[in-house]
Amino acid sequence: QVQLQESGPGLVKPSETLSLICTVSGGSINNYYWSWIRQPAGKGLEWIGRIYFTGSTYYNASLKSRVTMTVDTSKTQFSLKLSSVTAADTAVYYCARDPDGINRFDPWGQGTLVTVSS
Amino acid sequence: ETVMTQSPATLSVSPGERATLSCRASQSVSINLAWYQQKPGQAPRLLIYGASTRATGIPARFSGSGSGTEFTLTISSLQSEDFAVYYCQQYNDWPTFGQGTKVEIK
Repeated sequence: QVQLQESGPGLVKPSETLSLICTVSGGSINNYYWSWIRQPAGKGLEWIGRIYFTGSTYYNASLKSRVTMTVDTSKTQFSLKLSSVTAADTAVYYCARDPDGINRFDPWGQGTLVTVSS
Repeated sequence: ETVMTQSPATLSVSPGERATLSCRASQSVSINLAWYQQKPGQAPRLLIYGASTRATGIPARFSGSGSGTEFTLTISSLQSEDFAVYYCQQYNDWPTFGQGTKVEIK
């Protein structure tokens, strides 16, 4: 069964760029949409955006100016870059598969905590 | 943006009892509604989509209902492993989540 694993720095300085990678294993990255979702400590979930295996993207309007997503099908990976981060971007970041392109998420990666602090 | 509001924030239930969780959308989302379960330190797990369709491997004690703006997740007989936080999420437009309902042991 497909598994997702997030990786990247756990600490990012304010004003810098957060960079994360999600590696897909046990299944194909092709023909699926892939999303990033975040969750600040003790709070709810916020969808960041999604990318299709072709590279087509769609971002949350509230984050659009700071978000870039890319995909590397040869490595079965997709990535998230979030620029100009502040403490408000501190959260657990999850990657997830969207099985049928309608923005429902299954499965999810285990999540990775990113802290924005100097 | 479609705002999702869940109630109650916390639900205290004894094992074996029924739990009923509510989710309201600020505008109609048709049946484009999913429910997730999240346990401490874990990622959310998809339970229900299309308002009432159980995801693969989800026990029959979990059921969803509703359409438009009002939705319900029912757990018919709570097991120990069901104590968790539950989130609803609409996908009628760009996805938004409710703030969650924590189901705790009474």
